[in-house]
Amino acid sequence: DAMVIQNPRYQVTQFGKPVTLSCSQTLNHNVMYWYQQKSSQAPKLLFHYYDKDFNNEADTPDNFQSRRPNTSFCFLDIRSPGLGDAAMYLCATSNPGSTDTQYFGPGTRLTVL
Amino acid sequence: GDSVTQMEGPVTLSEEAFLTINCTYTATGYPSLFWYVQYPGEGLQLLLKATKADDKGSNKGFEATYRKETTSFHLEKGSVQVSDSAVYFCALRSKFQGAQKLVFGQGTRLTINP
Repeated sequence: DAMVIQNPRYQVTQFGKPVTLSCSQTLNHNVMYWYQQKSSQAPKLLFHYYDKDFNNEADTPDNFQSRRPNTSFCFLDIRSPGLGDAAMYLCATSNPGSTDTQYFGPGTRLTVL
Repeated sequence: GDSVTQMEGPVTLSEEAFLTINCTYTATGYPSLFWYVQYPGEGLQLLLKATKADDKGSNKGFEATYRKETTSFHLEKGSVQVSDSAVYFCALRSKFQGAQKLVFGQGTRLTINP
């Protein structure tokens, strides 16, 4: 089945130690998104790629970076995680040419010690 | 700016009860509207959607109708099951924004007791 895959599902890192979260998709969608979701809150968009074009949200901290080496993969890099960055990170994709629906992966839960 | 307001939770019901989760929105133009469901420890799953006024989205016994006159998209189900326990998010996507941003409501936690 076509899907959005996130690895790992659970990630533990230490305060200040860089960490990379991975997302891949088999939907061949043009747009990939990264959201941060803290406990009992709605997802908050960090940034998205439309093909190779990177679009950062105005309030996304510089500590968060992203890479999209090809259509299928997108990475979220947290350069120096703080305790406040502990959250669920959700990847989503959409294809603006046919539908405006975003499809989400299962998420990666990040713990910062 | 665009916004979505959901009824506050948590909501607790008994199995086979009727469910309504209210959702209203503020947006420029005519957005697409969505309900997403999030089960514990999981990502968001699209439950249903509607893209224009008077459209009814439906899936797994859930329904929601796009009401332009009341700017609402209330989620309903006639008979809930324990397996429906989850957090439900109402969201909109404005057709007039350059980026495909979803604006989410705050989420409503639903618990169904046997």
